[in-house]
Amino acid sequence: GQNIDQPTEMTATEGAIVQINCTYQTSGFNGLFWYQQHAGEAPTFLSYNVLDGLEEKGRFSSFLSRSKGYSYLLLKELQMKDSASYLCAVVDSNYQLIWGAGTKLIIKP
Amino acid sequence: GAVVSQHPSRVICKSGTSVKIECRSLDFQATTMFWYRQFPKQSLMLMATSNEGSKATYEQGVEKDKFLINHASLTLSTLTVTSAHPEDSSFYICSARDDRGIHEQFFGPGTRLTVL
Repeated sequence: GQNIDQPTEMTATEGAIVQINCTYQTSGFNGLFWYQQHAGEAPTFLSYNVLDGLEEKGRFSSFLSRSKGYSYLLLKELQMKDSASYLCAVVDSNYQLIWGAGTKLIIKP
Repeated sequence: GAVVSQHPSRVICKSGTSVKIECRSLDFQATTMFWYRQFPKQSLMLMATSNEGSKATYEQGVEKDKFLINHASLTLSTLTVTSAHPEDSSFYICSARDDRGIHEQFFGPGTRLTVL
């Protein structure tokens, strides 16, 4: 079966750095997305990785290792507004998005 | 980025009535749209995949006769919750897949349904 694992909840301090991991086992791979979702709102796009390596976009970076079935989202200089759920999703061989359960990130002052 | 609208954003209805939710891709064509449901403090749950001009594909456990999906054009999909009950109260989110490029899904803002 298809499976995506990410931690349920993480806590970090304002101004610090946090890494949210995602491991996946899917039928085929056509890319991996990270989305951010604030409570009561729809998800918004953060990043997309299809090749191995690190993609940097401002305070957020995303890393992919296809051989290990592993990705992480790195958030730097954390701000209170970064408190949200972070969803990892993999595009399988049928171009369907397989969703992880999401990681709730709590930022403390 | 591409924009997806969803209407209504919030609806309160009586038990037994039907509610229609519209999802529109505003600046791109979407052969495929998706309907999700999210209960409080839970992850997104895919309900069905809506394909333009053909029948929707429902996920296991989702009643196709209760959640009617119509995808009559490349920019519009509708979800009708028939004979709604309080347990159908949830946050319903649609997304539209851009068939160009990286097949990113663009999400609508969601519809909060409350059934009394």
